[in-house]
Amino acid sequence: ETGVTQSPTHLIKTRGQQVTLRCSSQSGHNTVSWYQQALGQGPQFIFQYYREEENGRGNFPPRFSGLQFPNYSSELNVNALELDDSALYLCASSLARDRSNYGYTFGSGTRLTVV
Amino acid sequence: GNSVTQMEGPVTLSEEAFLTINCTYTATGYPSLFWYVQYPGEGLQLLLKATKADDKGSNKGFEATYRKETTSFHLEKGSVQVSDSAVYFCALSSHDTGGFKTIFGAGTRLFVKA
Repeated sequence: ETGVTQSPTHLIKTRGQQVTLRCSSQSGHNTVSWYQQALGQGPQFIFQYYREEENGRGNFPPRFSGLQFPNYSSELNVNALELDDSALYLCASSLARDRSNYGYTFGSGTRLTVV
Repeated sequence: GNSVTQMEGPVTLSEEAFLTINCTYTATGYPSLFWYVQYPGEGLQLLLKATKADDKGSNKGFEATYRKETTSFHLEKGSVQVSDSAVYFCALSSHDTGGFKTIFGAGTRLFVKA
């Protein structure tokens, strides 16, 4: 089975620009979540999608938005980029049943640098 | 709100030593608890999980027991190896009226010396 793949691996953007990061979930998984990880810190939950609908969100402003597609791939969009948005962005997928989370499979991440 | 607190690192041990990495949490309801590991140069991997009180998760010689009375999920291993050197993250997932959330601790770096 394939794992979680993210693209691109590295990206440099200018402050004020918009960026789209992409993720392909592991085969058979119906849930995808996105995280922001600053250097030396734990991942911070941005949001989660279950069957194409957002079903949870962390403390991130509305300029962070997402989509999940029928094939369970996903996008993270960030508008009006700020310097503090520079981080590693992780995508993770899982198979959720009811309201239980059985653990995520993570991608290798996209390193975003805002200059 | 929900939170996860884990012991600060780095933790340095000799090979075959006993490992404990403490993790405590605050949460409403009944969260699921996890330990993830990040080996040097690699992505995050699920190490073990427990979905209800008194469950014990185990994998690769590591164990953690979901203790609701002490709101803890400490990671233990009886005899560490050099290959266990990595960053370990405690995490919880919960679902309440505010929706689904997953929270990670800050991570604990483990160095194992030969």
